[in-house]
Amino acid sequence: DTGVSQDPRHKITKRGQNVTFRCDPISEHNRLYWYRQTLGQGPEFLTYFQNEAQLEKSRLLSDRFSAERPKGSFSTLEIQRTEQGDSAMYLCASSLGSGSQDSPLHFGNGTRLTVT
Amino acid sequence: KNEVEQSPQNLTAQEGEFITINCSYSVGISALHWLQQHPGGGIVSLFMLSSGKKKHGRLIATINIQEKHSSLHITASHPRDSAVYICAVPYSGGGADGLTFGKGTHLIIQP
Repeated sequence: DTGVSQDPRHKITKRGQNVTFRCDPISEHNRLYWYRQTLGQGPEFLTYFQNEAQLEKSRLLSDRFSAERPKGSFSTLEIQRTEQGDSAMYLCASSLGSGSQDSPLHFGNGTRLTVT
Repeated sequence: KNEVEQSPQNLTAQEGEFITINCSYSVGISALHWLQQHPGGGIVSLFMLSSGKKKHGRLIATINIQEKHSSLHITASHPRDSAVYICAVPYSGGGADGLTFGKGTHLIIQP
């Protein structure tokens, strides 16, 4: 068990460019979450997968954001036409859950995005 | 959507002091999480609890479901406990969705 890993750790991009982040959850975890955290704030929920199905999306996830988890293992989060307001830490977490029951979350170290 | 309030926002204490951080939420929940975040972004899950009290080393978490309130206590605090402590509850109350996070309590323990 190597924990949740995220790639890249840091990404600097120019406004208008597309970026894609990857998250590899703990292998037996069926639930995967994406969060966004700006400086001085707690993380904000973006979206959640159970296996390959995207079950919930926050209103924060505009049309420029898309997330996939094609085989129920790793997930990608893409931001199209980045804006300066997208600059944040993007955190991935995973857990093992069934129905309404969930196990503690395991977080990755995040991808820090800076849009210039 | 669940709303989460944490207090205090900032807390500075001397080594050895007993620390209490409070969390209140607005919608009934299946479980509440206490998380620890160190500088650099890494988040560690400390507790997930749905009733009563849990203890892990010098950390104790309690929850009162009726009052929609939880507390995190640190006994015999140490400078290595300095971190941001975050309370999180399910986004809409249930257990199978994302979490809503408090803004965190920034704890500094001075030697």
